[in-house]
Amino acid sequence: GAGVSQSPSNKVTEKGKDVELRCDPISGHTALYWYRQRLGQGLEFLIYFQGNSAPDKSGLPSDRFSAERTGESVSTLTIQRTQQEDSAVYLCASSLAPGSSYEQYFGPGTRLTVT
Amino acid sequence: GQQLNQSPQSMFIQEGEDVSMNCTSSSIFNTWLWYKQDPGEGPVLLIALYKAGELTSNGRLTAQFGITRKDSFLNISASIPSDVGIYFCAGQLPGTYKYIFGTGTRLKVLA
Repeated sequence: GAGVSQSPSNKVTEKGKDVELRCDPISGHTALYWYRQRLGQGLEFLIYFQGNSAPDKSGLPSDRFSAERTGESVSTLTIQRTQQEDSAVYLCASSLAPGSSYEQYFGPGTRLTVT
Repeated sequence: GQQLNQSPQSMFIQEGEDVSMNCTSSSIFNTWLWYKQDPGEGPVLLIALYKAGELTSNGRLTAQFGITRKDSFLNISASIPSDVGIYFCAGQLPGTYKYIFGTGTRLKVLA
């Protein structure tokens, strides 16, 4: 079946502009995660959605970052007034409902470059 | 942010050799996941571990969930050139659905 998809695959933006990144999870996966991966580094947790519960936003680095998810479908990560330190690959992952499986499956990522 | 200690950071090995890498923490985890990431791609799940002491294999890969729940290792036997990539561990924090990722082991296989 279809895996996690993300768009765009690459995004180059000027400092100060807003960007919106999209994630389509695997159908039937109720949990959705966003991570940031800086060049040569590990994955940094940003935000977690589970069904209609309040999201866990504890990893968002500043109030310039926000994310939304409608039901159990598409999610968008928005970065306002982008800064050069926001340059990274943004990865989305989805998993089945907690209690059934905790295995996360990742999309290919969006490579964001802020100039 | 928080990260697990993963070692080694990088390794060069000859084709056919066995490889071992591990992740350690001062915290306990409920689940361990091991991933491989190729350049320009998202991480791909290799093995999932759910119980302390659990030993699980997937082809040439074997991983174990440490008895103390604070560590895990991954072994790759008889390495081949396509094993090249970055390997990450991830531990699930108890009482949450949040995962903390290791810093990665970059593996290079010399033919």
